Amino acid sequence: DAGVIQSPRHEVTEMGQEVTLRCKPISGHNSLFWYRQTMMRGLELLIYFNNNVPIDDSGMPEDRFSAKMPNASFSTLKIQPSEPRDSAVYFCASSLTRDANEQYFGPGTRLTVT
Amino acid sequence: GDSVTQMEGPVTLSEEAFLTINCTYTATGYPSLFWYVQYPGEGLQLLLKATKADDKGSNKGFEATYRKETTSFHLEKGSVQVSDSAVYFCALWVNTGGFKTIFGAGTRLFVKA
Repeated sequence: DAGVIQSPRHEVTEMGQEVTLRCKPISGHNSLFWYRQTMMRGLELLIYFNNNVPIDDSGMPEDRFSAKMPNASFSTLKIQPSEPRDSAVYFCASSLTRDANEQYFGPGTRLTVT
Repeated sequence: GDSVTQMEGPVTLSEEAFLTINCTYTATGYPSLFWYVQYPGEGLQLLLKATKADDKGSNKGFEATYRKETTSFHLEKGSVQVSDSAVYFCALWVNTGGFKTIFGAGTRLFVKA
Protein backbone atom coordinates (compact mmCIF):
# COMPACT_ATOMS: atom_id res chain seq x y z
CA ASP A 1 0.00 0.00 0.00
CA ALA A 2 1.30 3.46 -0.85
CA GLY A 3 0.15 4.99 2.42
CA VAL A 4 -1.44 8.42 2.72
CA ILE A 5 -0.25 10.69 -0.06
CA GLN A 6 -0.06 14.45 0.30
CA SER A 7 0.87 17.12 -2.19
CA PRO A 8 2.69 19.34 -2.45
CA ARG A 9 5.35 18.47 0.13
CA HIS A 10 6.43 22.10 0.34
CA GLU A 11 4.57 25.27 -0.55
CA VAL A 12 5.83 28.81 -0.38
CA THR A 13 3.37 31.56 -1.17
CA GLU A 14 2.78 35.22 -0.59
CA MET A 15 0.27 36.63 1.82
CA GLY A 16 -3.15 36.96 0.23
CA GLN A 17 -2.72 34.09 -2.20
CA GLU A 18 -4.94 31.03 -2.29
CA VAL A 19 -3.35 27.77 -1.19
CA THR A 20 -4.72 24.28 -1.86
CA LEU A 21 -3.36 21.21 -0.12
CA ARG A 22 -4.25 17.76 -1.36
CA CYS A 23 -4.59 14.36 0.24
CA LYS A 24 -5.21 10.84 -0.98
CA PRO A 25 -6.12 8.50 1.88
CA ILE A 26 -5.28 4.82 2.07
CA SER A 27 -7.61 2.84 -0.14
CA GLY A 28 -10.52 1.42 1.85
CA HIS A 29 -10.18 3.86 4.71
CA ASN A 30 -13.37 5.81 5.31
CA SER A 31 -12.27 8.41 7.83
CA LEU A 32 -9.99 11.29 6.95
CA PHE A 33 -8.42 13.91 9.21
CA TRP A 34 -6.63 17.22 8.60
CA TYR A 35 -4.18 18.42 11.25
CA ARG A 36 -1.95 21.45 11.62
CA GLN A 37 1.34 21.31 13.50
CA THR A 38 3.29 24.31 14.79
CA MET A 39 5.92 24.74 17.46
CA MET A 40 3.66 27.01 19.47
CA ARG A 41 0.42 25.02 19.35
CA GLY A 42 1.58 21.49 18.69
CA LEU A 43 -0.76 19.19 16.75
CA GLU A 44 -4.27 20.56 16.17
CA LEU A 45 -7.17 18.70 14.57
CA LEU A 46 -8.77 20.96 11.98
CA ILE A 47 -11.53 18.76 10.57
CA TYR A 48 -12.44 15.17 10.02
CA PHE A 49 -14.63 13.37 7.53
CA ASN A 50 -16.41 10.05 7.76
CA ASN A 51 -17.60 8.50 4.50
CA ASN A 52 -16.82 11.82 2.75
CA VAL A 53 -19.07 13.80 5.10
CA PRO A 54 -17.56 16.44 7.41
CA ILE A 55 -18.28 15.35 10.97
CA ASP A 56 -16.41 17.88 13.11
CA ASP A 57 -14.95 21.10 11.77
CA SER A 58 -14.74 22.88 15.10
CA GLY A 59 -10.96 23.07 14.77
CA MET A 60 -11.01 25.07 11.54
CA PRO A 61 -9.49 28.39 12.56
CA GLU A 62 -11.69 30.75 10.59
CA ASP A 63 -13.64 31.21 7.40
CA ARG A 64 -10.47 31.49 5.38
CA PHE A 65 -10.07 27.74 5.79
CA SER A 66 -12.26 25.24 3.96
CA ALA A 67 -12.03 21.51 3.34
CA LYS A 68 -13.75 19.20 0.91
CA MET A 69 -13.88 15.50 0.25
CA PRO A 70 -15.61 14.98 -3.10
CA ASN A 71 -14.98 11.23 -3.10
CA ALA A 72 -13.44 8.51 -1.00
CA SER A 73 -10.00 8.89 -2.50
CA PHE A 74 -9.41 12.62 -2.43
CA SER A 75 -9.60 15.60 -0.10
CA THR A 76 -8.48 19.21 -0.24
CA LEU A 77 -7.76 21.85 2.35
CA LYS A 78 -7.93 25.38 1.01
CA ILE A 79 -6.79 28.63 2.59
CA GLN A 80 -8.00 31.82 0.96
CA PRO A 81 -6.55 34.34 1.52
CA SER A 82 -3.43 32.99 3.20
CA GLU A 83 -1.65 34.85 6.00
CA PRO A 84 1.84 34.48 7.50
CA ARG A 85 0.35 32.98 10.69
CA ASP A 86 -0.92 30.05 8.59
CA SER A 87 2.68 28.87 8.15
CA ALA A 88 2.81 25.36 9.56
CA VAL A 89 3.03 21.71 8.59
CA TYR A 90 -0.34 20.33 7.55
CA PHE A 91 -0.92 16.61 7.94
CA CYS A 92 -3.61 14.41 6.50
CA ALA A 93 -4.42 11.10 8.19
CA SER A 94 -6.85 8.30 7.43
CA SER A 95 -8.34 5.35 9.28
CA LEU A 96 -10.98 2.66 9.11
CA THR A 97 -14.07 3.79 10.97
CA ARG A 98 -14.57 0.43 12.53
CA ASP A 99 -11.05 0.76 13.89
CA ALA A 100 -10.95 4.53 13.91
CA ASN A 101 -8.59 4.60 16.84
CA GLU A 102 -5.56 3.88 14.65
CA GLN A 103 -4.65 6.70 12.29
CA TYR A 104 -2.17 6.62 9.43
CA PHE A 105 -0.48 9.92 8.71
CA GLY A 106 0.84 11.31 5.47
CA PRO A 107 4.26 12.95 5.24
CA GLY A 108 2.79 16.45 5.59
CA THR A 109 2.88 19.66 3.58
CA ARG A 110 5.16 22.38 4.90
CA LEU A 111 3.46 25.70 4.14
CA THR A 112 5.32 28.99 4.33
CA VAL A 113 3.40 32.21 3.80
CA THR A 114 5.60 35.27 3.36
CA GLY B 1 -13.24 17.06 29.34
CA ASP B 2 -10.99 14.44 27.82
CA SER B 3 -7.30 15.29 27.84
CA VAL B 4 -3.77 13.92 27.69
CA THR B 5 -0.80 15.26 29.63
CA GLN B 6 2.77 14.33 28.76
CA MET B 7 6.01 15.18 30.46
CA GLU B 8 7.70 18.18 28.93
CA GLY B 9 10.81 17.74 26.88
CA PRO B 10 13.30 17.68 25.63
CA VAL B 11 14.58 14.50 27.17
CA THR B 12 18.28 13.93 26.52
CA LEU B 13 19.82 10.51 27.15
CA SER B 14 23.00 8.67 26.33
CA GLU B 15 22.84 5.58 24.17
CA GLU B 16 21.80 2.44 26.08
CA ALA B 17 20.14 4.46 28.85
CA PHE B 18 16.69 3.59 30.19
CA LEU B 19 13.83 5.70 28.89
CA THR B 20 10.59 6.69 30.56
CA ILE B 21 8.18 9.25 29.13
CA ASN B 22 5.22 9.89 31.40
CA CYS B 23 1.67 10.18 30.12
CA THR B 24 -1.54 10.61 32.10
CA TYR B 25 -5.04 11.03 30.81
CA THR B 26 -8.53 12.15 31.71
CA ALA B 27 -11.40 10.54 29.88
CA THR B 28 -15.03 9.56 30.13
CA GLY B 29 -15.86 6.05 29.15
CA TYR B 30 -13.21 3.50 28.29
CA PRO B 31 -10.54 4.97 26.04
CA SER B 32 -7.96 3.21 23.95
CA LEU B 33 -4.44 4.55 24.47
CA PHE B 34 -1.62 5.04 21.98
CA TRP B 35 1.92 6.13 21.53
CA TYR B 36 2.85 7.66 18.20
CA VAL B 37 6.36 8.59 17.08
CA GLN B 38 7.39 11.34 14.69
CA TYR B 39 10.84 11.24 13.11
CA PRO B 40 12.27 14.46 11.68
CA GLY B 41 10.53 15.54 8.51
CA GLU B 42 7.90 12.80 8.67
CA GLY B 43 4.32 12.27 9.77
CA LEU B 44 3.32 10.49 12.94
CA GLN B 45 3.50 6.70 13.03
CA LEU B 46 1.71 4.42 15.42
CA LEU B 47 4.26 2.92 17.81
CA LEU B 48 2.04 0.87 20.12
CA LYS B 49 -1.42 0.75 21.58
CA ALA B 50 -3.52 -0.74 24.39
CA THR B 51 -7.27 -0.99 24.28
CA LYS B 52 -8.20 -1.96 27.82
CA ALA B 53 -6.99 -1.79 31.39
CA ASP B 54 -3.84 -3.80 32.21
CA ASP B 55 -3.06 -4.34 28.52
CA LYS B 56 0.58 -3.89 27.60
CA GLY B 57 1.43 -2.54 24.18
CA SER B 58 4.90 -3.22 22.82
CA ASN B 59 6.87 -2.62 19.65
CA LYS B 60 10.55 -2.14 18.71
CA GLY B 61 11.62 -2.56 22.34
CA PHE B 62 9.17 0.07 23.60
CA GLU B 63 6.46 -0.84 26.10
CA ALA B 64 3.55 0.87 27.82
CA THR B 65 0.95 -0.53 30.21
CA TYR B 66 -2.60 0.80 30.46
CA ARG B 67 -3.06 1.64 34.15
CA LYS B 68 -6.68 2.53 34.87
CA GLU B 69 -6.12 3.05 38.58
CA THR B 70 -3.51 5.76 37.96
CA THR B 71 -4.90 6.85 34.56
CA SER B 72 -1.44 6.49 33.08
CA PHE B 73 0.25 5.03 30.02
CA HIS B 74 3.96 5.63 30.48
CA LEU B 75 6.32 4.77 27.64
CA GLU B 76 9.48 2.80 28.50
CA LYS B 77 12.46 1.35 26.72
CA GLY B 78 15.29 -0.50 28.38
CA SER B 79 18.12 0.66 26.14
CA VAL B 80 17.70 3.56 23.76
CA GLN B 81 19.59 4.04 20.51
CA VAL B 82 20.53 7.17 18.59
CA SER B 83 17.92 6.17 16.01
CA ASP B 84 15.19 6.54 18.67
CA SER B 85 15.66 10.31 18.62
CA ALA B 86 12.23 11.64 17.69
CA VAL B 87 9.11 13.26 19.11
CA TYR B 88 6.76 10.92 20.98
CA PHE B 89 3.03 11.62 21.29
CA CYS B 90 0.67 10.01 23.75
CA ALA B 91 -2.94 9.85 22.55
CA LEU B 92 -6.31 8.56 23.60
CA TRP B 93 -9.31 7.54 21.58
CA VAL B 94 -12.80 7.67 22.93
CA ASN B 95 -16.11 6.77 21.39
CA THR B 96 -18.75 8.64 23.34
CA GLY B 97 -21.42 9.88 20.97
CA GLY B 98 -18.89 10.14 18.17
CA PHE B 99 -15.29 9.10 18.28
CA LYS B 100 -12.34 11.41 18.71
CA THR B 101 -8.60 11.12 19.16
CA ILE B 102 -6.82 13.50 21.49
CA PHE B 103 -3.06 13.93 21.23
CA GLY B 104 -0.68 15.10 23.91
CA ALA B 105 1.75 17.93 23.26
CA GLY B 106 4.59 15.59 22.36
CA THR B 107 7.93 14.91 24.06
CA ARG B 108 11.14 15.35 22.12
CA LEU B 109 13.83 12.74 22.79
CA PHE B 110 17.50 13.26 21.96
CA VAL B 111 19.81 10.26 22.26
CA LYS B 112 23.55 10.96 22.24
CA ALA B 113 26.11 8.46 21.02
